[in-house]
Amino acid sequence: EADIYQTPRYLVIGTGKKITLECSQTMGHDKMYWYQQDPGMELHLIHYSYGVNSTEKGDLSSESTVSRIRTEHFPLTLESARPSHTSQYLCASSGPWGGSEQYFGPGTRLTVT
Amino acid sequence: ELKVEQNPLFLSMQEGKNYTIYCNYSTTSDRLYWYRQDPGKSLESLFVLLSNGAVKQEGRLMASLDTKARLSTLHITAAVHDLSATYFCAVDLLLNYGGSQGNLIFGKGTKLSVKP
Repeated sequence: EADIYQTPRYLVIGTGKKITLECSQTMGHDKMYWYQQDPGMELHLIHYSYGVNSTEKGDLSSESTVSRIRTEHFPLTLESARPSHTSQYLCASSGPWGGSEQYFGPGTRLTVT
Repeated sequence: ELKVEQNPLFLSMQEGKNYTIYCNYSTTSDRLYWYRQDPGKSLESLFVLLSNGAVKQEGRLMASLDTKARLSTLHITAAVHDLSATYFCAVDLLLNYGGSQGNLIFGKGTKLSVKP
């Protein structure tokens, strides 16, 4: 079944640790996105990719980095986590046949202590 | 710059009542999406509106798009508690030749609470 996956779903980690949030999709979509969302608040686009080896920063400045080495995989990395990074991170993808409709993964809720 | 405004941002309504959520956007687009988000969850696609005059209905929710007015509405009929959630509209920023830029601009969301 075509889908979009995120792991871990929940992560509690100490300040200064390096973390990678995983996002994979099996829909063959070329475009992928990372959003940051605080509880009950609006979505902020932090990174996006239009295909392999393409990455761009979004509207909200973020200390995280992303890579796109394979079409299906779009991991997000924080080199040194801080309490200000505590948030929910949502990954999404969209493809040419679906137009611009974005399909969202289940999200990763990150808490940095 | 494309801006997307939703109103109201908070809506508390009684079960059985009707109400409409509005989504205004500032530049030309004929592609608009509605999503639902339950507390602590991700976004779930509700409606895809791809042309002027498009109307989609699912259960007690009906969405419409007026590209000339740059306005979409999400109408709730006879609300029930299960509809309590945050509803986001999102607009595709079109390129000059009409193609999709690929990114969506999201409104801030309307937090709906349906009370018995």
